[in-house]
Amino acid sequence: KAGVTQTPRYLIKTRGQQVTLSCSPISGHRSVSWYQQTPGQGLQFLFEYFSETQRNKGNFPGRFSGRQFSNSRSEMNVSTLELGDSALYLCASSLTVPSYEQYFGPGTRLTVT
Amino acid sequence: AQTVTQSQPEMSVQEAETVTLSCTYDTSENNYYLFWYKQPPSRQMILVIRQEAYKQQNATENRFSVNFQKAAKSFSLKISDSQLGDTAMYFCAYLAPPLFFGTGTRLTIIP
Repeated sequence: KAGVTQTPRYLIKTRGQQVTLSCSPISGHRSVSWYQQTPGQGLQFLFEYFSETQRNKGNFPGRFSGRQFSNSRSEMNVSTLELGDSALYLCASSLTVPSYEQYFGPGTRLTVT
Repeated sequence: AQTVTQSQPEMSVQEAETVTLSCTYDTSENNYYLFWYKQPPSRQMILVIRQEAYKQQNATENRFSVNFQKAAKSFSLKISDSQLGDTAMYFCAYLAPPLFFGTGTRLTIIP
């Protein structure tokens, strides 16, 4: 069974631009969660989706948004990028919620210049 | 609020030795889940082991085992017969939900 895939793997954007990251969960998994990983703040939860509905949201500004499609694929969007948004963005999928067993993708490395 | 504390930023051990990584957490819940994740240099997060709080028995996965002390809110990971491939960042995590992670322990296995 294929694992969680994230595209793109690397991205360089300029401050003020917007970006969309994509995550395809393991086949059959209906829950997708997003995390931001930075050296300063560590791993922080962004949001969780299940069956196209946002179930949980972390403490991030409204510039961060996401959605989930009927095939369970998920996208997250960051508008008006700031330098501090440079991070590794990790997506994790699980069969259902609560997500007792989350499987992570390889991440998208976003650099904002 | 749930917090997860890993007090050992870095550790190193000789290959084939045993190493224990510490984790404490804070919660007012009675039933919950705890995890150890491994993040090697490739940055891929890998689930190492999971513990359900209502289970008395400590979880074990091959060379990896935990010492779960519910009253003390302690959840340490023991790696036996350490291998070079065990070199990675190790994160302790608590499922609220969502997952709350500790700051990680960088473990280096020395040949």
